[in-house]
Amino acid sequence: SQQGEEDPQALSIQEGENATMNCSYKTSINNLQWYRQNSGRGLVHLILIRSNEREKHSGRLRVTLDTSKKSSSLLITASRAADTASYFCATAYSGAGSYQLTFGKGTKLSVIP
Amino acid sequence: NAGVTQTPKFQVLKTGQSMTLQCAQDMNHNSMYWYRQDPGMGLRLIYYSASEGTTDKGEVPNGYNVSRLNKREFSLRLESAAPSQTSVYFCASGLKRDIRNYGYTFGSGTRLTVV
Repeated sequence: SQQGEEDPQALSIQEGENATMNCSYKTSINNLQWYRQNSGRGLVHLILIRSNEREKHSGRLRVTLDTSKKSSSLLITASRAADTASYFCATAYSGAGSYQLTFGKGTKLSVIP
Repeated sequence: NAGVTQTPKFQVLKTGQSMTLQCAQDMNHNSMYWYRQDPGMGLRLIYYSASEGTTDKGEVPNGYNVSRLNKREFSLRLESAAPSQTSVYFCASGLKRDIRNYGYTFGSGTRLTVV
C-alpha cells in the first residue's frame, strides 16, 4: 500500500506567491524525498531529508520533517510559472537488502502568470 | 547525457499480445526499479532489482516478469497484455550505498495502451 499521502491534491496560486504542500506517511522511514513531474515527463528528484533531520533548504525549496507526526512539508518560495507541475513525496525504507521508495499520489501545482 | 533510457516511448497492444519494455542506465547504479503510474494512483512499484542477478516483487507484480540482463539493463515483460495494464511505465535506478543521500533517477516513461 502507498506510504505517503500529499495534501492538497491540487493547488493554484499566482506567480510570486509561496506554495506549500504536505505529506503524511504511516511507518518508520530512512528518509523522505520530494520529486517533481512535468506533464508527460519522468520524475525529477528535488530534495531529500533524512529521518534525523528536521529542515532542509535547496534554492527556493524548503522541506521540513516531523517524524513524531509522520509528516513533511515542501515550501516553494516566490513561485514561477515554470514551477507548474505535479509534486510527489516518496518515503524510503530498507527492505530485502535494498532501499525502496513508496510514492504518494501527488499534488498538482498550477502557477498562474 | 547520462541517465536512464526507456524504449519504446509509446506502444499500443491488443489484449493477449506480449511485449518487453527496455530500460538501460549508464550511471553505474546497483539498483533498478519498474513503476507504473495511473491517474489518481501515484506511482506503484512493480518489480525491483537490488543488484545484478537479483530481482524481487514490488506492490503490483501480477502479470509482469522482469530480467536484470546485466548491471546496465533491466527489462519488464508483459506475457499476455490486459486492458488493466494500460498505464505509463517508469524505470528508475539508484546507487544502493548512496540511496540514503541521493534519490532515484527516472527515465522518461513508456506510455502503453492495451485495447
